[in-house]
Amino acid sequence: EDQVTQSPEALRLQEGESSSLNCSYTVSGLRGLFWYRQDPGKGPEFLFTLYSAGEEKEKERLKATLTKKESFLHITAPKPEDSATYLCAVAMAGGTSYGKLTFGQGTILTVHP
Amino acid sequence: DGGITQSPKYLFRKEGQNVTLSCEQNLNHDAMYWYRQDPGQGLRLIYYSQIVNDFQKGDIAEGYSVSREKKESFPLTVTSAQKNPTAFYLCASSDSNQPQHFGDGTRLSIL
Repeated sequence: EDQVTQSPEALRLQEGESSSLNCSYTVSGLRGLFWYRQDPGKGPEFLFTLYSAGEEKEKERLKATLTKKESFLHITAPKPEDSATYLCAVAMAGGTSYGKLTFGQGTILTVHP
Repeated sequence: DGGITQSPKYLFRKEGQNVTLSCEQNLNHDAMYWYRQDPGQGLRLIYYSQIVNDFQKGDIAEGYSVSREKKESFPLTVTSAQKNPTAFYLCASSDSNQPQHFGDGTRLSIL
C-alpha cells in the first residue's frame, strides 16, 4: 500500500533558525512529489513539484530536494510569516496523466519572532 | 482572476439531511477532485473526475455523491448515509501532468 509519512508532526523554530521537514514515501513507482503550504482555514497552496532523485527546487527561503525514498523541505532563516502547515503528496506512475495524490499528514511549522 | 471557488465557507447539517457543496473553476482544467481533511490525518480523496460526465470513486466515497455536467463545476453531495460528515472539504482542479490547485474549502458541521 502506498504510504506518505511526514516528520516531525510539529516544529517550533525561532526566527532565523534554519531546519528541515521530512517526507518519506513508499510507492510502487513515483510520477511526482508535491509540496504544498496550507494556512489555517485555507486551501493548500502549491509550492514545488519534484520528479526524479537528485532534483532540487528553490523558492525564497524554501528548498525542496528528492531522493529515492524521501524528500526534504529545507527552510533557511525562517520568518514568522513562514508559519503554516506544510503538506507533502505523491502521485504514482502508471494510469492516466491526472494521477491521484496520496497526502502525508502534514508538519505544522511555527516560527517565533 | 482565475481560480477555484468553493461555497459556502461554512455549512451545517441536520440529522437525516443531504447537503451539497459547490465547487466552480475558471481555469479551464479538465480534472477536478474532492478531498476531505480531518485534524492530523492529511487529505483523503473522495471522488475525482477527469472529463465531463465521468467520475471515479476515491478512497472514501461511501456516503458521498458527485456530478460533472459542466467542465467548470463539480458539486459534492454529503448524504445522510455519511455518519461522520464533520470535516473540512477541499476541491481541486488540474490539467494533464500539472499540479492540483485548491479552493479555500467548506467547513461542514453537524447541528
